Amino acid sequence: DGGITQSPKYLFRKEGQNVTLSCEQNLNHDAMYWYRQDPGQGLRLIYYSQIVNDFQKGDIAEGYSVSREKKESFPLTVTSAQKNPTAFYLCASSIGPSNQPQHFGDGTRLSIL
Amino acid sequence: KNEVEQSPQNLTAQEGEFITINCSYSVGISALHWLQQHPGGGIVSLFMLSSGKKKHGRLIATINIQEKHSSLHITASHPRDSAVYICAVPDNQAGTALIFGKGTTLSVSS
Repeated sequence: DGGITQSPKYLFRKEGQNVTLSCEQNLNHDAMYWYRQDPGQGLRLIYYSQIVNDFQKGDIAEGYSVSREKKESFPLTVTSAQKNPTAFYLCASSIGPSNQPQHFGDGTRLSIL
Repeated sequence: KNEVEQSPQNLTAQEGEFITINCSYSVGISALHWLQQHPGGGIVSLFMLSSGKKKHGRLIATINIQEKHSSLHITASHPRDSAVYICAVPDNQAGTALIFGKGTTLSVSS
């Protein structure tokens, strides 16, 4: 079955450490997204990519980095510059470029040790 | 940038009740999404609609483009409907990304 796989499900970060969240899709979707969810808030856009080898910053990109070297993969790195990384991170994809339903992964919950 | 407001924030119901969740937005859109988030965190897309009404099983979504308002209805609610329901609209400043409401937490008891 096609879908989006995020790993790991839970992740712990030490002070000063970079961590990478994995997102893989086998839906052959061009567009991929990273959202952050905090309690009581709506999902907020971190980065998005409309096509391979291209990505754009979202509303809260500071302290994060991404790459899109392959169509099926869009990893997110949470750097040490992100001072408040504890959150639930969701990866999504859509056919693009026009408005289409987005498919979501099951998320990664990141906590600070 | 579009702003999305949902109401109510929390909703409790008895099994069998008719449920309505509302969503309003500030800037005209081409389509609106209704999503369901399960307790484990996974999100599924329920509807994407640009006009009128859509129905899937016991779920009905309506949209009024002129009034910038959409509603999600659940008929004959069931405990398995307990989840967070989220409304989202396109972020016209960020490709095909979405802007999300804060969600409505629904709890249905038997």
